[in-house]
Amino acid sequence: GENVEQHPSTLSVQEGDSAVIKCTYSDSASNYFPWYKQELGKGPQLIIDIRSNVGEKKDQRIAVTLNKTAKHFSLHITETQPEDSAVYFCAASITGNQFYFGTGTSLTVIP
Amino acid sequence: DSGVTQTPKHLITATGQRVTLRCSPRSGDLSVYWYQQSLDQGLQFLIQYYNGEERAKGNILERFSAQQFPDLHSELNLSSLELGDSALYFCASSVVGSRHNEQFFGPGTRLTVL
Repeated sequence: GENVEQHPSTLSVQEGDSAVIKCTYSDSASNYFPWYKQELGKGPQLIIDIRSNVGEKKDQRIAVTLNKTAKHFSLHITETQPEDSAVYFCAASITGNQFYFGTGTSLTVIP
Repeated sequence: DSGVTQTPKHLITATGQRVTLRCSPRSGDLSVYWYQQSLDQGLQFLIQYYNGEERAKGNILERFSAQQFPDLHSELNLSSLELGDSALYFCASSVVGSRHNEQFFGPGTRLTVL
C-alpha cells in the first residue's frame, strides 16, 4: 500500500518567518493530497489540498506544491503567527476513500 | 466545530473488555470514516462506511468492527482490548464516498486501556 513520510517531526520558527513541511509518497497512483491542521484537543481540520493535475495551490498565507515526478509535496506557511502553532499532517489518497497520513509535524511559532 | 459529534470523549477500561464508540456525521453527509491515532503511528485509517455499507477497509484488526445505521450514525466496536489499543479514535464524515471530498473530523474519543 501507500507509504507517506513527513519531515520534520518538529519545527520552531520565529513569528513572521516562513515554515516548510515536506512529504513524500510511494504510490504513483496517488492523486489527491490534503493537508490537515490539528490543534490541541481537537480533530484534524483540512487547511488546503491539491490534486495531481495541479503543481501549486495557494490560499492566503498557505501554499502547497506537488512534484509528481519526485513524488513529493510540501506545505509552505508564510508570515507565521502564533495561532499557526499546531500539528500538521499531510496525506495521500488514490481512491478518495482511504487516506494515508504522514506522522505529523509539530509547529511552534515563537512570538 | 466541524459538525461531527463523537461520544464518549474519554473512556477508561481494562484489558479484555469491549467498548463501543459512537459517531454522528454532519447533517447530509453519507460517508463515515474511522481513524486511530496513536503516538507512535500517527493517523491510521480503519474503515469507511457509505450510506450504511462498508466502502473501504484499512488496517482494522479483527477484534474491531463497525457499522453504520439507517440514521447514518456509526459505531466502532473494540473487543478483547489490549494495552496497545489505547489511542485517540477519530470519526470523520464527508458528503460522498468515492470522490475527493473534504473529510470533517470529530473531536475524537480518547481510549485508555489499563
